[in-house]
Amino acid sequence: SQQGEEDPQALSIQEGENATMNCSYKTSINNLQWYRQNSGRGLVHLILIRSNEREKHSGRLRVTLDTSKKSSSLLITASRAADTASYFCATVMTGGGNKLTFGTGTQLKVEL
Amino acid sequence: ETGVTQSPTHLIKTRGQQVTLRCSSQSGHNTVSWYQQALGQGPQFIFQYYREEENGRGNFPPRFSGLQFPNYSSELNVNALELDDSALYLCASSQRTGRDEKLFFGSGTQLSVL
Repeated sequence: SQQGEEDPQALSIQEGENATMNCSYKTSINNLQWYRQNSGRGLVHLILIRSNEREKHSGRLRVTLDTSKKSSSLLITASRAADTASYFCATVMTGGGNKLTFGTGTQLKVEL
Repeated sequence: ETGVTQSPTHLIKTRGQQVTLRCSSQSGHNTVSWYQQALGQGPQFIFQYYREEENGRGNFPPRFSGLQFPNYSSELNVNALELDDSALYLCASSQRTGRDEKLFFGSGTQLSVL
């Protein structure tokens, strides 16, 4: 079963704009990770945020985590056409080893 | 490129048949996980192997089985294929660190069951 929901399901923006995706989850977690998937192929790890962290940056990516609301957001700044992909959040639940439980994903389309 | 390779890339089988999917881990990784991704969904955890032993299993029936070899490569076997087994099967390798492991995914095997 999926751990949580992602919102929106699909997002279409113009190049240069910022893209924000949200993820909600259901149980206590050790960490939350964001992955990118191009055209239904392999997933690429983008960023990991631990349960005791509130915000993390990596290049044009900014991730926030609110454990009280069981939610996270991924912000991609100054988007490019090459950012077009599906984005998934995945959680490692407390006591869950390193098993990832994925959300339903957000399809991002960045238009020129 | 993650260094994780899967074969074959595409496969077509008929209902009731058996299939074996293969995965070569990234060099230095001792853990392999398998995920099933149905169309339009997020990946779902099938099972994980650590040093050749099954180390966690998701909500999949026993007809889904696996192996991990001494070189840490892995196989996923599915018996008595059903139409709902049609999906992208993803393999991911990692190095067991105890916390904050990052998974490296292969490009997947697209299985179609007719």
